[in-house]
Amino acid sequence: EDQVTQSPEALRLQEGESSSLNCSYTVSGLRGLFWYRQDPGKGPEFLFTLYSAGEEKEKERLKATLTKKESFLHITAPKPEDSATYLCAVEEDGQNFVFGPGTRLSVLP
Amino acid sequence: NAGVTQTPKFQVLKTGQSMTLQCAQDMNHEYMSWYRQDPGMGLRLIHYSVGAGITDQGEVPNGYNVSRSTTEDFPLRLLSAAPSQTSVYFCASSAHRDGYGYTFGSGTRLTVV
Repeated sequence: EDQVTQSPEALRLQEGESSSLNCSYTVSGLRGLFWYRQDPGKGPEFLFTLYSAGEEKEKERLKATLTKKESFLHITAPKPEDSATYLCAVEEDGQNFVFGPGTRLSVLP
Repeated sequence: NAGVTQTPKFQVLKTGQSMTLQCAQDMNHEYMSWYRQDPGMGLRLIHYSVGAGITDQGEVPNGYNVSRSTTEDFPLRLLSAAPSQTSVYFCASSAHRDGYGYTFGSGTRLTVV
């Protein structure tokens, strides 16, 4: 069964303390892996798309990387405004998306 | 502001009642979809549409109906509400079916008692 897992479930960082979030997936034919950010009471907001192993994308303090089995979202020197839930989703060949449960990130000042 | 508009934001229903969650987008997107989000679980696809007049089932379609008579609107109908349908519902749209550039609405929080 296709599955997307994310770890950790929740992460607390001090402002400036860099870390990484993990998204692991088991799909037979990956078409794309997507990262979204979700703030409380709002819908997810698109961040990145990764299509092939070795690909990297960057946006401000965030960098997403992809291997054949997992993706990492690296957060460098985070600020309190980076606090949110980060979701990953995978698209399998010819199918719709499977979302992971998310990682709740809290960045303390 | 351009985007996806969902109404209502909050709703409480009694078991057995029916209702329609509204979703409208003004970006001329062909692809629209409905998800539900439950604690500890990822977003799960209920129904989707690749264009006006075309709809299909997602992962968890039971108890829900959709229609797509125009490009802009994609309402979700709960036929006979059950407590298991208590959830937050999100509508999303995109120019394409892939995940790039999905725009989500702000959600409808539904409680069935």
